[in-house]
Amino acid sequence: ETGVTQTPRHLVMGMTNKKSLKCEQHLGHNAMYWYKQSAKKPLELMFVYNFKEQTENNSVPSRFSPECPNSSHLFLHLHTLQPEDSALYLCASSQSRGGPQHFGDGTRLSIL
Amino acid sequence: KNEVEQSPQNLTAQEGEFITINCSYSVGISALHWLQQHPGGGIVSLFMLSSGKKKHGRLIATINIQEKHSSLHITASHPRDSAVYICALYNNNDMRFGAGTRLTVKP
Repeated sequence: ETGVTQTPRHLVMGMTNKKSLKCEQHLGHNAMYWYKQSAKKPLELMFVYNFKEQTENNSVPSRFSPECPNSSHLFLHLHTLQPEDSALYLCASSQSRGGPQHFGDGTRLSIL
Repeated sequence: KNEVEQSPQNLTAQEGEFITINCSYSVGISALHWLQQHPGGGIVSLFMLSSGKKKHGRLIATINIQEKHSSLHITASHPRDSAVYICALYNNNDMRFGAGTRLTVKP
C-alpha cells in the first residue's frame, strides 16, 4: 500500500475514445504529479499541481488534459490519443514541491 | 550527453552478491532520489539524500556532491531485489530521471 491509488490499472482504448485516469492520495500531500513511462525510456514528467494549481506543463499535447479538483485527487483526461501514447502513466504526490515523492502503481494504457 | 547517466544498464547477479549501481550527473542538484520499480510498474522510494550516506537494511546510498556521483549498494542480494533502480535528480522544482538499471538476482 503506497498511499497513492491509481485507477484503472489497465486500460485499452481506441484512438477516438475518451477516457480518464484517476489518482487519489490521502497522505495529506500538497503536490501531485503525472508521469509517462514509455518502454525503455526514462520517466517523463507531464504535469505538476501544487495546492491544486497547475505549476508545470512539460509541452504535453492537448489530447492530455489534467484536472485537480482538490488536493487529494488528480485526473488525466484522454481524448483522440495516438498509438505512441501507449505507456505506463504514473501518478505521484509529495508533501511539498521538491520533496520525496510517493508513487502509485500506474495505469498501463494501450491505444489500439 | 544525458544529464543523468546510470551504469550499468543491466546487471545480473547471483544471490548473496554485493551489488553496486552508479549514477553520474552533470547539473547542480539540491537532492538525489533512488527509486525502485518492480515488474508491473509500481515505484517505491528508497532514499533521498543531499550529502554523505544513508543506510536502510541491506541498502546503502552514498553521494559525492563535488564529483556529481551517487551509488546504491545492495548487500547480500536476494531474488526479491530484482527490479529497475532509478536515479532522480532534484534541483529546486526541476526533476531529471536516469534511464534505470535493471537488476536480476538469480537464486
